[in-house]
Amino acid sequence: DTGVSQDPRHKITKRGQNVTFRCDPISEHNRLYWYRQTLGQGPEFLTYFQNEAQLEKSRLLSDRFSAERPKGSFSTLEIQRTEQGDSAMYLCASSGQVADYGYTFGSGTRLTVV
Amino acid sequence: QKEVEQDPGPLSVPEGAIVSLNCTYSNSAFQYFMWYRQYSRKGPELLMYTYSSGNKEDGRFTAQVDKSSKYISLFIRDSQPSDSATYLCAIQPGYSTLTFGKGTMLLVSP
Repeated sequence: DTGVSQDPRHKITKRGQNVTFRCDPISEHNRLYWYRQTLGQGPEFLTYFQNEAQLEKSRLLSDRFSAERPKGSFSTLEIQRTEQGDSAMYLCASSGQVADYGYTFGSGTRLTVV
Repeated sequence: QKEVEQDPGPLSVPEGAIVSLNCTYSNSAFQYFMWYRQYSRKGPELLMYTYSSGNKEDGRFTAQVDKSSKYISLFIRDSQPSDSATYLCAIQPGYSTLTFGKGTMLLVSP
């Protein structure tokens, strides 16, 4: 197991386009998290899955954002009608079920909206 | 007041110095405290976690928590140029999502 994988690493898109990111967590982890990080800031929580169930969503997650985790394996994060303010690093993390404090993060997908 | 406050730095030190990084938090419900290291263009990696007041040591790193003051610290002894990164404190109210500080950029010069 090589850790948490995210694809693509970089994405440049025009304003108004839709984008989709993928995250493959560590295989034995049943919890998966999406965070967003802008320059000079710490990661901000977006949403959280336990297996295939989306259990928590941040108010940062507007209706243009949707996340899925079919079959409790990989997850996708889609942003519709992208805006320049969506430019950020999107980080995925996973953790196990038993008290396993702290997450394992992927390297992130850097989104630039032009 | 933000839930977690952290001085963004940058903090510049010479190689071999002792580094002190700090965060304060406002919610006494926070139970678990972590430090992550983030290199440029990489995701954060977990350095240390603790859930009680006191010190926890791991090699050159010592994490300190003072719940009465709502203050956490990370000390790095014998700092190396490879320690140059952004250090993020993260706090967790039970087994739930993490709240991060802004991160402190550390630069260790040879």
